[in-house]
Amino acid sequence: DTEVTQTPKHLVMGMTNKKSLKCEQHMGHRAMYWYKQKAKKPPELMFVYSYEKLSINESVPSRFSPECPNSSLLNLHLHALQPEDSALYLCASSQELVSEAFFGQGTRLTVV
Amino acid sequence: AQSVAQPEDQVNVAEGNPLTVKCTYSVSGNPYLFWYVQYPNRGLQFLLKYITGDNLVKGSYGFEAEFNKSQTSFHLKKPSALVSDSALYFCAVRAFDNYGQNFVFGPGTRLSVLP
Repeated sequence: DTEVTQTPKHLVMGMTNKKSLKCEQHMGHRAMYWYKQKAKKPPELMFVYSYEKLSINESVPSRFSPECPNSSLLNLHLHALQPEDSALYLCASSQELVSEAFFGQGTRLTVV
Repeated sequence: AQSVAQPEDQVNVAEGNPLTVKCTYSVSGNPYLFWYVQYPNRGLQFLLKYITGDNLVKGSYGFEAEFNKSQTSFHLKKPSALVSDSALYFCAVRAFDNYGQNFVFGPGTRLSVLP
């Protein structure tokens, strides 16, 4: 099983809403990532969990809050987002060091 | 700091012709290099990687890539393009920086295979 599952696939939320994105993998990978991708642009790293320890991209606003309940699950909590936060949010996982990352299908987020 | 360049925003090729998508990189230490493909509104799919060993790496869907250390390049190739290969291609390098481990992506190259 080389699958990373993200839910929901699409999400529309108002600027005052609170929502969460979910990501799950059962490949035993110990590194998990959140990326944000704007149209026709490369993915930009938001957060990395390595052995359930968080590394933060300090440019990410605090309205994005990650959570790693266990080694298979990764959440991204969203609160008070702005329209410019609308993007494709990608979750990925990998083994340590030299291995490739496997990506989920993404959540298409629209903030209205 | 690690970085990846893809000098062509767009590559057009006729179906059945060979294709090349270019990538150059800048890393400190040994390069761990990857190619990914992305179809519209989808996640990234892994194609192939170079870690060590043979400079010609074979991957999924008939793609291959050639690692050239002296030119710091990792160009993606396919002998005969298919219309279904039309997509956005990203070259990436594994980085070990302030965030621990990360993937740094190039800007992407849009490949159009014309029937």
